[in-house]
Amino acid sequence: GQGVEQPDNLMSVEGTFARVNCTYSTSGFNGLSWYQQREGHAPVFLSYVVLDGLKDSGHFSTFLSRSNGYSYLLLTELQIKDSASYLCAVSMPNYNVLYFGSGTKLTVEP
Amino acid sequence: NTKITQSPRYLILGRANKSLECEQHLGHNAMYWYKQSAEKPPELMFLYNLKQLIRNETVPSRFIPECPDSSKLLLHISAVDPEDSAVYFCASSLTDSNERLFFGHGTKLSVL
Repeated sequence: GQGVEQPDNLMSVEGTFARVNCTYSTSGFNGLSWYQQREGHAPVFLSYVVLDGLKDSGHFSTFLSRSNGYSYLLLTELQIKDSASYLCAVSMPNYNVLYFGSGTKLTVEP
Repeated sequence: NTKITQSPRYLILGRANKSLECEQHLGHNAMYWYKQSAEKPPELMFLYNLKQLIRNETVPSRFIPECPDSSKLLLHISAVDPEDSAVYFCASSLTDSNERLFFGHGTKLSVL
């Protein structure tokens, strides 16, 4: 909704890294969140960013460029258990609504 | 996550009425109902902040939310439709600013 776009699928190899991209074209912007969702489970919060730049949180890092309407989630030292869907969500001002992208299904191979 | 609980876990309905329940033990002020259909992202249905309905998305009138107190949320469903088959997640956050949502495990509704 509200133009939050993510690629459907991404594959990577255990021990390497994966970058999950998100672009948005919303009529406002309050912040951007990333959630991990495993098959058959609820979304789990990973990160929330408001300011431009890279936010390093160890295994997960997030980058935001508000002028370009772009964010990515970077996973380093991938493990098989990182295989999941990763959802980008944009928070809109004055609407109290969180718009989720359709999610990127990451598959980590041995 | 046992700090936000939902019941029932699974629900199979014909055209009956049923209520979904949610309770959070996090002291959060905002609570939400999200609907997630197969292969789709979660979509906001209702938002309560401090027991007041702040945002009521355009959902069918057969879905009626209720917030008896700041830690509990109900979703009453009447005369379900096959398009209602989905997972219904309850979520909460400290405020209604959406900075960090905690989700319950969801109720999987299957409509016969």
